[in-house]
Amino acid sequence: EAQVTQNPRYLITVTGKKLTVTCSQNMNHEYMSWYRQDPGLGLRQIYYSMNVEVTDKGDVPEGYKVSRKEKRNFPLILESPSPNQTSLYFCASSLSPRGAHYGYTFGSGTRLTVV
Amino acid sequence: GQQLNQSPQSMFIQEGEDVSMNCTSSSIFNTWLWYKQDPGEGPVLLIALYKAGELTSNGRLTAQFGITRKDSFLNISASIPSDVGIYFCAGQRAGGTSYGKLTFGQGTILTVHP
Repeated sequence: EAQVTQNPRYLITVTGKKLTVTCSQNMNHEYMSWYRQDPGLGLRQIYYSMNVEVTDKGDVPEGYKVSRKEKRNFPLILESPSPNQTSLYFCASSLSPRGAHYGYTFGSGTRLTVV
Repeated sequence: GQQLNQSPQSMFIQEGEDVSMNCTSSSIFNTWLWYKQDPGEGPVLLIALYKAGELTSNGRLTAQFGITRKDSFLNISASIPSDVGIYFCAGQRAGGTSYGKLTFGQGTILTVHP
């Protein structure tokens, strides 16, 4: 089944403890992206990648890192999480960097709580 | 960063009623997308619009790409309980690295009473 898989689905962590949220897609998509969803703000783009080894900042990149060493994986790294990074995170992928023409496929989300 | 203004923020309607929601922006977008998010899930694409003035339907859903390329609306006809969820508009610009950037509206929470 074609899908975007995020892990974990739920995570509670403490301030300052490094964590990684994984994202993997099995559709051979070139484009991948991370979003955070907060009440009243919709989805805001954190980072995106238009191909392997090509990443770019979205609208809210502060406090996050990403890497794209291989096509299928696009992990989101929080080196030193803070409570304001408590949010619902989504990974998405698309066949082409011109993603809109092919639609974006979203993962099921990772709910992160930083205490 | 650029955000789309989506309205209304929430709607409470009776089953069978029609629904209309819209998005506006101060900037031009080359593609407009409408997504629906069910509780506990990621957004799912409903309709994609690629040309100014384009009107596209998907079952009971109809969406239009505004002539100015700064707005879009989504209509749902004869609503049913499974239409409940959060609806998002999203816009994408063309050119250079803008291809990678997708901007979302704040969402419209739809509740349908049987």
